[in-house]
Amino acid sequence: QSALTQPASVSGSPGQSITISCIGTSSDVGGYNSVSWYQQHPGKAPKLLIHDVSNRPSGVSNRFSGSKSGNTASLTISGLQADDEADYYCNSYVTGNIYVFGTGTKVTVL
Amino acid sequence: EVQLVQSGAEVKKPGESLKISCKSSGDSFSNYWFGWVRQMPGKGLEWMGIVYAGDSTPVYSPSFQGQVTISVDKSITSAYVQWSSLKASDTAMYYCARAKHGDTWFDPWGQGTLVTVSS
Repeated sequence: QSALTQPASVSGSPGQSITISCIGTSSDVGGYNSVSWYQQHPGKAPKLLIHDVSNRPSGVSNRFSGSKSGNTASLTISGLQADDEADYYCNSYVTGNIYVFGTGTKVTVL
Repeated sequence: EVQLVQSGAEVKKPGESLKISCKSSGDSFSNYWFGWVRQMPGKGLEWMGIVYAGDSTPVYSPSFQGQVTISVDKSITSAYVQWSSLKASDTAMYYCARAKHGDTWFDPWGQGTLVTVSS
C-alpha cells in the first residue's frame, strides 16, 4: 500500500492555528475511524497525539485536535507554540493488522 | 509506567545477520501487539510489521515481507526484528511501539535502535 499524502511543510506564527492534511483512500483513511497522529522532535522517538481520528490521550494538550472527512484526515494545532516545531505523521489502519504512515509534515514556527 | 527499552546501536557489515530487541515492562504482555517502524536517515516513518504477543502471530507490510522476521519471547516480555543478510540500505533507526489488542494506535514507543550497515 502507498504512503498517505501529507504536505511536506506547514508554517505559522506563534499563537496562530495550522492544519495538516493526510490524504488516503477508501481502503485506509476513508474505510476506518482508525487514524492516529504522532509528533516527532529531532532525534527523539515519535509521540502519540491523537487516536481514532479525534481522541486525545491523557497528557496531550487540547491545542491538538483531529478530524476526518471522507478520505482525508486532518490535525489542527491551535495557539501555535515554539515547542510545536517538529515533524508530524498520520497513520491509518489498512486491513488485516496492516498499517500505513503518512509522508510526514515539518512544522515550522516563524 | 509502561516502558519499551530497545537494545543498543549496532554496526554491521553487508551480509551479516542481526536481531534487535524491545523489552516491555508494565502490565500484561500477552494482551498487546508490538510493531516495528523504520526511519531511514533524514526520511519519514515506515511501518514494517507487527506481532501479537498472545499467539506470536506476525503480520508484515508488503514492502518488508521476506526482508525481516518479527517475533516475540513471552518468557522475557520482549519483541524482536531480525535480518538474515543485511544490506547497506538497511541502515536506519528502528523503533518498536506497542498497541493494546483491539486498539489501532501505538503508545508507548521505544527509544530507537540505530543500525548501521557498512563495509
